[in-house]
Amino acid sequence: TQLLEQSPQFLSIQEGENLTVYCNSSSVFSSLQWYRQEPGEGPVLLVTVVTGGEVKKLKRLTFQFGDARKDSSLHITAAQPGDTGLYLCAGEPPSGGYQKVTFGTGTKLQVIP
Amino acid sequence: KAGVTQTPRYLIKTRGQQVTLSCSPISGHRSVSWYQQTPGQGLQFLFEYFSETQRNKGNFPGRFSGRQFSNSRSEMNVSTLELGDSALYLCASSLEGEAFFGQGTRLTVV
Repeated sequence: TQLLEQSPQFLSIQEGENLTVYCNSSSVFSSLQWYRQEPGEGPVLLVTVVTGGEVKKLKRLTFQFGDARKDSSLHITAAQPGDTGLYLCAGEPPSGGYQKVTFGTGTKLQVIP
Repeated sequence: KAGVTQTPRYLIKTRGQQVTLSCSPISGHRSVSWYQQTPGQGLQFLFEYFSETQRNKGNFPGRFSGRQFSNSRSEMNVSTLELGDSALYLCASSLEGEAFFGQGTRLTVV
């Protein structure tokens, strides 16, 4: 069973601060996705990273895939209240099997105005 | 392109009843997965269907079942509802590993 551990579990910061969320596993993934979910809604896909060491930027969000494709990080610069939500990482297992996508444990972020 | 549609959005049922939830995936997506999300347990995988066949199953009792139709639409059924089944049920359709979620069905069992 492939597990994805996210840290921290909860994060409460002031508007304008920077933060980093981590997603770690002992398993290799062919790709990894990050989602943001707001209360009562479904998760919304933010980004997919595929290549080891890959860095993708989405406005103030920077996503990195580890060199060994076992971990990832999400860095938010100058957080805003609109960034509040549950951040989930999800890993796709290596191709060739029918294993399901594995979701991380989640990081609940609160940005205080 | 329409997103994933789940119906109904909200549902209140009594213990012992059964419920059927529906999911229409994004056009062209053949994989549909179902998840249960609760504050305490997070996002838990229920099952995945691909081309009308159950391809993966999570660790849930047999009261939870599902099916997929030839047009890729999927339903999940929960029989003999328990209070602990109260949760947000999410459906996701997938293409090449990226899952796109519906807004979910909020089920409350009283």
